Amino acid sequence: EVHLVQSGAEVKKAGESLKISCQDSGHTRIDYWIVWVRQVPGEGLEWMGSIYPGDSHTKYNPSFEGRVTISADKSINPAYLQWTSLKPSDTAIYYCARVGGLTPYFWLDPWGQGTLVTVSS
Amino acid sequence: DIQMTQSPSSLSASVGDRVTITCRASQYIFNYLNWYQRKPGTAPKVLISTASTLQSGVPSRFSGSGSGTDFTLTIDGLQPEDFATYYCQQSHSMPWTFGQGTKVEIK
Repeated sequence: EVHLVQSGAEVKKAGESLKISCQDSGHTRIDYWIVWVRQVPGEGLEWMGSIYPGDSHTKYNPSFEGRVTISADKSINPAYLQWTSLKPSDTAIYYCARVGGLTPYFWLDPWGQGTLVTVSS
Repeated sequence: DIQMTQSPSSLSASVGDRVTITCRASQYIFNYLNWYQRKPGTAPKVLISTASTLQSGVPSRFSGSGSGTDFTLTIDGLQPEDFATYYCQQSHSMPWTFGQGTKVEIK
């Protein structure tokens, strides 16, 4: 059974870097696509991008490309989302989720518990 | 990008009510449409995939319908544990996009 566990809440200042993680506690390797989804307080959900940890093949939402880096370490299974220079507008809850389903139908299940990132100016 | 528009953005209902939430896509997406439920302080959970397929473990009072651009999530006999925010999501083309959410509150 897939069980995604994310790293804990972070409080940062603008300009700082950050890397958050998503780990499948039920498996030693991740052999499925993982997505990162952002939820800004009071707003909806936004797909940021996806990664296949097996070969680190990555797809980005153009709205986020260049602002974040999605990566993975297949030897110890986490997927990562990182910023080199945070902005207050990055304050949000970030979820990872497994891409389930079979081609061509996909959905997100399960989801990690979310990581709250707070960025002050 | 495909825009997903949900309506209403919020609604008040009583236990036992029938609730209907609609989702409209800005382009034809066949049945590449999923529904999620998110309760406060918890992660979203998929309820329905491919517009009408109930996920394992989801109560049968939830149902989905539609194809093309117009979709509906129905809760037939609202239960206390159903008060939450519901989102639709298209997986027809990237970037995958979500509706803005419909908050179901207790009347």
